[in-house]
Amino acid sequence: DSGVTQTPKHLITATGQRVTLRCSPRSGDLSVYWYQQSLDQGLQFLIQYYNGEERAKGNILERFSAQQFPDLHSELNLSSLELGDSALYFCASSFVGGNSYNEQFFGPGTRLTVL
Amino acid sequence: GESVGLHLPTLSVQEGDNSIINCAYSNSASDYFIWYKQESGKGPQFIIDIRSNMDKRQGQRVTVLLNKTVKHLSLQIAATQPGDSAVYFCAENSGYSTLTFGKGTMLLVSP
Repeated sequence: DSGVTQTPKHLITATGQRVTLRCSPRSGDLSVYWYQQSLDQGLQFLIQYYNGEERAKGNILERFSAQQFPDLHSELNLSSLELGDSALYFCASSFVGGNSYNEQFFGPGTRLTVL
Repeated sequence: GESVGLHLPTLSVQEGDNSIINCAYSNSASDYFIWYKQESGKGPQFIIDIRSNMDKRQGQRVTVLLNKTVKHLSLQIAATQPGDSAVYFCAENSGYSTLTFGKGTMLLVSP
């Protein structure tokens, strides 16, 4: 168990809908990262937050947004869902989020299925 | 469990053999390289990392080799066990701890 929790574990929804995925980082970790894992694209970095502020952005669609709250939990919002958004979404956390590398601990993921 | 990739390169070994998983990376400016293990239905789990100023690092039963000349990374697992069966990903730190992952290799260990 990495100490990172994600809810829900599974989510099934329809095209055009909006969903929210939730992540609680390890105790003491200030940085949260979101990744998408699909069969054709592999594991891709979406966005990083550090202590409530956006720190880095990857291949995140404009339909997707995230935030990190004062208690450091994070939410990833996916809107106008398309079939291609079906994937595993992972959250990871690390103690800090500076320019140098810090070990990231991954949660168990949320499996999103868009029908 | 859930499959993380249906078209991954696969390495099949016998229990007790040594396994070598290879990875090519893209960014010569990356300062850290990391190997992750992902079991079916779980998130990636850290195995070992290596700084770009090193060429070898050893852990428990695992060794990572880094060849910056050809941008190549390898993970060696000694005395492979059935519990080592998983998908293995290399990742490079592209700055601010944002990781760029490779496509992954599936390791299958037969008893």
